[in-house]
Amino acid sequence: SQKIEQNSEALNIQEGKTATLTCNYTNYSPAYLQWYRQDPGRGPVFLLLIRENEKEKRKERLKVTFDTTLKQSLFHITASQPADSATYLCALDNYGQNFVFGPGTRLSVLP
Amino acid sequence: DGGITQSPKYLFRKEGQNVTLSCEQNLNHDAMYWYRQDPGQGLRLIYYSQIVNDFQKGDIAEGYSVSREKKESFPLTVTSAQKNPTAFYLCASSLDPGTNSPLHFGNGTRLTVT
Repeated sequence: SQKIEQNSEALNIQEGKTATLTCNYTNYSPAYLQWYRQDPGRGPVFLLLIRENEKEKRKERLKVTFDTTLKQSLFHITASQPADSATYLCALDNYGQNFVFGPGTRLSVLP
Repeated sequence: DGGITQSPKYLFRKEGQNVTLSCEQNLNHDAMYWYRQDPGQGLRLIYYSQIVNDFQKGDIAEGYSVSREKKESFPLTVTSAQKNPTAFYLCASSLDPGTNSPLHFGNGTRLTVT
């Protein structure tokens, strides 16, 4: 069956460290993968999109990798800040029709 | 400012009543989507529409209905047939009906049915 997993439900890290979040999938062949940030009681906000033929994408302190052999995407936040605390969602392209979302990882950056 | 407006933010209904959630966008996007979010679960797709007057069922369409009579509007009706309607409902849009465009989300409607 098709499944999307994100490494852990919650992740706590110290301010200034790099946060690494994982998105693993089975029985999908996504052409695109997206990452979103969601704050409590709000809708998700788009962060980054990476294509299947791209190994890595960067935007300011954010970096995403996409390994179609391992069926995994890693999402990194460098020099993390308390303001980065939120839930982060990965979303996979579903055969070009729509996106399917992972359950999310709740990141807490501790001062 | 362009964006997606969902109203109301909180909605309370008695069991057995139909309820309609509003979603309006002024981004001139072709595609619109409805997702449901439950604690500890990812967003699950209810319905999506890639063009006016056309829509497709998502993974959990049973007990829901939609219409897309105008490009800007994609209302969702939660019918009494939906067995567990209490949830956080999110509407989204994207410029391109394909999947290489990001989704723009509204801030959701939290529906409570008692």
